[in-house]
Amino acid sequence: EAGVAQSPRYKIIEKRQSVAFWCNPISGHATLYWYQQILGQGPKLLIQFQNNGVVDDSQLPKDRFSAERLKGVDSTLKIQPAKLEDSAVYLCASSSPDGVSQYFGPGTRLTVT
Amino acid sequence: GNSVTQMEGPVTLSEEAFLTINCTYTATGYPSLFWYVQYPGEGLQLLLKATKADDKGSNKGFEATYRKETTSFHLEKGSVQVSDSAVYFCALSVGPFSGNTPLVFGKGTRLSVIA
Repeated sequence: EAGVAQSPRYKIIEKRQSVAFWCNPISGHATLYWYQQILGQGPKLLIQFQNNGVVDDSQLPKDRFSAERLKGVDSTLKIQPAKLEDSAVYLCASSSPDGVSQYFGPGTRLTVT
Repeated sequence: GNSVTQMEGPVTLSEEAFLTINCTYTATGYPSLFWYVQYPGEGLQLLLKATKADDKGSNKGFEATYRKETTSFHLEKGSVQVSDSAVYFCALSVGPFSGNTPLVFGKGTRLSVIA
């Protein structure tokens, strides 16, 4: 079974530029999450989708971050404009059908200079 | 709110030593508890889980027991190997059935095992 796919793996941009990350969850997983992992910390939830609807985006900085999952499968997370403090690894995860276990992609490491 | 506290790292052990990484939690409701592992250059992998009090999760020689009375989920392994060197994260999720709810992570504990 294929795992969660993410691209790109690495991205370097200058502050105030925009960037987009892509995620394709495990086939059949209806719930998809985006987490932000700052160096030296545990991942923190940005947004949760159930199919193509948003379940929880309370921790998403909506003035600069946006995310969508139009067809209920793959998802895109965008940052515009980026700030230095956005430097982090962005992790995508999807839930197993029982909803208990989450499976993570390899992440996208973003560096904002 | 919900939170997880892990022992600070890094932890350095010799091969075949006994490992304990402490994890305690605070949760509203009845959480499911998890340990994830992150090997160098790789993504997070689910190591083990427990969904109710007194459950023991186990995998690859690691085990952890859900202790409701002490709100703890300590990770243990009897004999570590160099290949166990990684960052270990304790996490919880809380929801009506702890399903399809976001994970709350601790800060992670880096383990280095030397030959």
